[in-house]
Amino acid sequence: GQQVMQIPQYQHVQEGEDFTTYCNSSTTLSNIQWYKQRPGGHPVFLIQLVKSGEVKKQKRLTFQFGEAKKNSSLHITATQTTDVGTYFCICTNAGGTSYGKLTFGQGTILTVHP
Amino acid sequence: DVKVTQSSRYLVKRTGEKVFLECVQDMDHENMFWYRQDPGLGLRLIYFSYDVKMKEKGDIPEGYSVSREKKERFSLILESASTNQTSMYLCASSHNFIEQYFGPGTRLTVT
Repeated sequence: GQQVMQIPQYQHVQEGEDFTTYCNSSTTLSNIQWYKQRPGGHPVFLIQLVKSGEVKKQKRLTFQFGEAKKNSSLHITATQTTDVGTYFCICTNAGGTSYGKLTFGQGTILTVHP
Repeated sequence: DVKVTQSSRYLVKRTGEKVFLECVQDMDHENMFWYRQDPGLGLRLIYFSYDVKMKEKGDIPEGYSVSREKKERFSLILESASTNQTSMYLCASSHNFIEQYFGPGTRLTVT
């Protein structure tokens, strides 16, 4: 079946350093969504990528969707302490039926040292 | 403002009890989801509903059932709670699988 691997599981950075997390699927995706979950909070939607090779930016965050629509990355430039939390992806399979289209990255836990 | 609410933030139940977790959304979304979230495992889908009275099993439905009698409300039922069901339970809703809105979560402890 379709699997999504998210790496790394943990990332510790100094404030000001960059951070990247990756979601890699074994099958072609229809779209991918990225979420952020602050410690003690609930997941909050960041962005959805749909098109092959798509790149979207939100201030210091850059999201990319691979040309083959099997992988995606979230890059944060110059991290701040407010960036701490877990970042994870929700992937929608190309084809399939209803919920069976969804698979989930395990999340990357980001800590930022001031 | 979009809202998904869950009936309890914290819940402590005994083994064997029947447990009801309620979720309500005010966005008229057709899709609603129940997840559990455990450290190192990420989100795991328990059940999903795409319309009133319609439901589909997720990846880990064993030991759970659901009810959706009204569009805005999706209930998760633990028929006989067990200690391995101690977890954070998250409800979400979405329109057309685009952008899921999550509730604040219920941290359930089964003793």
